[in-house]
Amino acid sequence: AQSVTQLDSQVPVFEEAPVELRCNYSSSVSVYLFWYVQYPNQGLQLLLKYLSGSTLVESINGFEAEFNKSQTSFHLRKPSVHISDTAEYFCAVDNFNKFYFGSGTKLNVKP
Amino acid sequence: GAGVSQSPRYKVAKRGQDVALRCDPISGHVSLFWYQQALGQGPEFLTYFQNEAQLDKSGLPSDRFFAERPEGSVSTLKIQRTQQEDSAVYLCASSLPTQETQYFGPGTRLLVL
Repeated sequence: AQSVTQLDSQVPVFEEAPVELRCNYSSSVSVYLFWYVQYPNQGLQLLLKYLSGSTLVESINGFEAEFNKSQTSFHLRKPSVHISDTAEYFCAVDNFNKFYFGSGTKLNVKP
Repeated sequence: GAGVSQSPRYKVAKRGQDVALRCDPISGHVSLFWYQQALGQGPEFLTYFQNEAQLDKSGLPSDRFFAERPEGSVSTLKIQRTQQEDSAVYLCASSLPTQETQYFGPGTRLLVL
């Protein structure tokens, strides 16, 4: 069975500071990895994904995540956050069309 | 283009009532998924359809939960004899069979009193 762990339930950070949201997964097989973002009162939106190839993947709004197979991690980073990044972020593993989600990390960007 | 839509957006039910939640996937999306998201938790898989075939229902928590997609498009998640522990947001997602990305609807927030 798959499991996804997001150790930080809340991450407060000041605007323009860097941030890292941690995600670890357990799996005995190859998986696809995703980060989804949920803005207040909205549905889940895909932020970025790792399927194969380069282990560093990027989103259009400056986030990046690195797949580390040896550490079974897929941490999300942004070098300089903006107020508009305030949202809840979910890491997910896709194993044969079944998504396993972490419990989410609430990113609170303060001015 | 239109995304995944779900209705109703909010539903209040008395314990013991039956409810039906509707999902309209993105046009042309063959795969459809239902998830349950309890307060403060990540979504949990309930069931998966490819066209009208229900290929995986391993996540349905009890036999009170039933999902169907009779024509391979719109899907309905039915919960019979609702209990307070059924209170959650129910999310629907759809995808193309050759794509790994699932596109999510806004969810239906169910509150059972």
